[in-house]
Amino acid sequence: QKEVEQNSGPLSVPEGAIASLNCTYSDRVSQSFFWYRQYSGKSPELIMSIYSNGDKEDGRFTAQLNKASQYVSLLIRDSQPSDSATYLCAVQSAGGTSYGKLTFGQGTILTVHP
Amino acid sequence: EAGVAQSPRYKIIEKRQSVAFWCNPISGHATLYWYQQILGQGPKLLIQFQNNGVVDDSQLPKDRFSAERLKGVDSTLKIQPAKLEDSAVYLCASNRAGGSSYEQYFGPGTRLTVT
Repeated sequence: QKEVEQNSGPLSVPEGAIASLNCTYSDRVSQSFFWYRQYSGKSPELIMSIYSNGDKEDGRFTAQLNKASQYVSLLIRDSQPSDSATYLCAVQSAGGTSYGKLTFGQGTILTVHP
Repeated sequence: EAGVAQSPRYKIIEKRQSVAFWCNPISGHATLYWYQQILGQGPKLLIQFQNNGVVDDSQLPKDRFSAERLKGVDSTLKIQPAKLEDSAVYLCASNRAGGSSYEQYFGPGTRLTVT
């Protein structure tokens, strides 16, 4: 089982629709969760962080965390062509020698078509 | 606030040659990370520094990779000798460490091609 697994892509949605990206993780003691956006040929850009169960909203983005189910998701409302990118889920180790280490999923490619 | 700086941006070498990458983290960030990202995959941590000490290098191929952060600020990652499978983007990231912020910020990366 992969440590961090994202829903297989690519995901294609029409402009204006809601894009839903999902991620599961295996380490139950993980405390911090992040979503990065990566445009082709660019480095990952942090777009959302979430630390407690529930929803966190920032503009068109909503991150959802359910620690009991070891599940984190990202919703993008009113999707725009400029949202087309690879979205990376990252889970941060809670302690020990790997404190702060991020483990990434393989990424989900999102395409928003006009 | 200036972001994480990396150089060079691109490097092409032949197998068995050596190469070095440089990273300067965001000012005041005590923790520095080197990641390797192979095409189509998520980044994988190679080494983590806290100030100038190594916190985690469990996934660093130590027979060929080395890294240092001598003064607790900038860092160098070296590969010697390079193999074809080392072709990847090498990303440097930093965070403030401690407090309530665990967010890591990435530099632009160095794209390495080994021929």
